[in-house]
Amino acid sequence: ELKVEQNPLFLSMQEGKNYTIYCNYSTTSDRLYWYRQDPGKSLESLFVLLSNGAVKQEGRLMASLDTKARLSTLHITAAVHDLSATYFCAVFLRDFGNEKLTFGTGTRLTIIP
Amino acid sequence: SQTIHQWPATLVQPVGSPLSLECTVEGTSNPNLYWYRQAAGRGLQLLFYSVGIGQISSEVPQNLSASRPQDRQFILSSKKLLLSDSGFYLCAWSVGVRFSTVPGYTFGSGTRLTVV
Repeated sequence: ELKVEQNPLFLSMQEGKNYTIYCNYSTTSDRLYWYRQDPGKSLESLFVLLSNGAVKQEGRLMASLDTKARLSTLHITAAVHDLSATYFCAVFLRDFGNEKLTFGTGTRLTIIP
Repeated sequence: SQTIHQWPATLVQPVGSPLSLECTVEGTSNPNLYWYRQAAGRGLQLLFYSVGIGQISSEVPQNLSASRPQDRQFILSSKKLLLSDSGFYLCAWSVGVRFSTVPGYTFGSGTRLTVV
């Protein structure tokens, strides 16, 4: 059974600081997604990482994937308040024709002015 | 462009009452469809997924069922709700890998269900 773990679960950081969220998963996969969720809202897609060594950047967020280590990171640079949200990683698994996303536990990020 | 619609947005139901949540997708055909549930302050749990009409796979034994009567329609149901069914229900769709090497997953706006 695929397990996806994120850490930390909660992160409170000051504006202007850098930090990294980690996503570990237990089964080989060639595809990983990052999503953002604002309170009471649905999920917004941030990144899709498709191969080992993939790196994608959008604004102050940068995501990377190491399929050998089964690890993805979401790095936040010079945080600003509007990045406050819950961030989820999700691992894609294809099994006997079935395609599923299994989500991590989420990291609730709070940026303090 | 493709859009996904989910309704209702909010629902308060008594214990023991039935449930029907609907999700439809526009602008695509043969989508993979998914129902997820998110308990308060928790992650997302996959409940059901479907790769075609009438094809439903269940991930977690529970008080819920799903149906796909049409290609772009996915329904989540219950005959008798339990308190533990409360949560935020999200429908999602994707293009299967048979159609795209980069299947994105797009989520609906969600239904917040409170069972009282």
